[in-house]
Amino acid sequence: GAVVSQHPSWVICKSGTSVKIECRSLDFQATTMFWYRQFPKQSLMLMATSNEGSKATYEQGVEKDKFLINHASLTLSTLTVTSAHPEDSSFYICSARVAGEATDTQYFGPGTRLTVL
Amino acid sequence: RKEVEQDPGPFNVPEGATVAFNCTYSNSASQSFFWYRQDCRKEPKLLMSVYSSGNEDGRFTAQLNRASQYISLLIRDSKLSDSATYLCVMDSSYKLIFGSGTRLLVRP
Repeated sequence: GAVVSQHPSWVICKSGTSVKIECRSLDFQATTMFWYRQFPKQSLMLMATSNEGSKATYEQGVEKDKFLINHASLTLSTLTVTSAHPEDSSFYICSARVAGEATDTQYFGPGTRLTVL
Repeated sequence: RKEVEQDPGPFNVPEGATVAFNCTYSNSASQSFFWYRQDCRKEPKLLMSVYSSGNEDGRFTAQLNRASQYISLLIRDSKLSDSATYLCVMDSSYKLIFGSGTRLLVRP
């Protein structure tokens, strides 16, 4: 099946620094990518929908100035957590969907575990 | 009320047992539902889609009851490798809404 990669797989940073997470579709072009966050023992929560060449659509309660999303090409979307704080520590997962395909062909990346000290 | 609700479990069953999970959803307009499996510290992986007519894939059977707004997953002849968290997922305008998951532990 289709492959989505994320980099880095884990990151530890100091409070106040910014962290960039990359999401790549390796063998297909993804017009839409999604960014999720998952806290321990909780469900995946959609943060934003990223469409290639346009601004991301953020879910209610997600600060767009704190979580910067860039989808500059059909194979790459990035999420930057700006001025990270300990409460931002979480498991960040991206997924990619090809336009026209059913929702169940949404392909997930392996996730990035962020720990903010 | 959460859009998708699941019993968190854990369900602790012996190998070979049959186990069933239920999930309720609040958006009656949703058309598509799925079961995903998530292993510890891993991304979710699609287990199966859920259709109104019900569908079966080997030891797994999924059912959708639109009148009562719940979906179910039945696992027969449980294997040790079935131990994981099972996520009930609803499609809402091409966005996936995840339940918090039901944890299954299959013991030898």
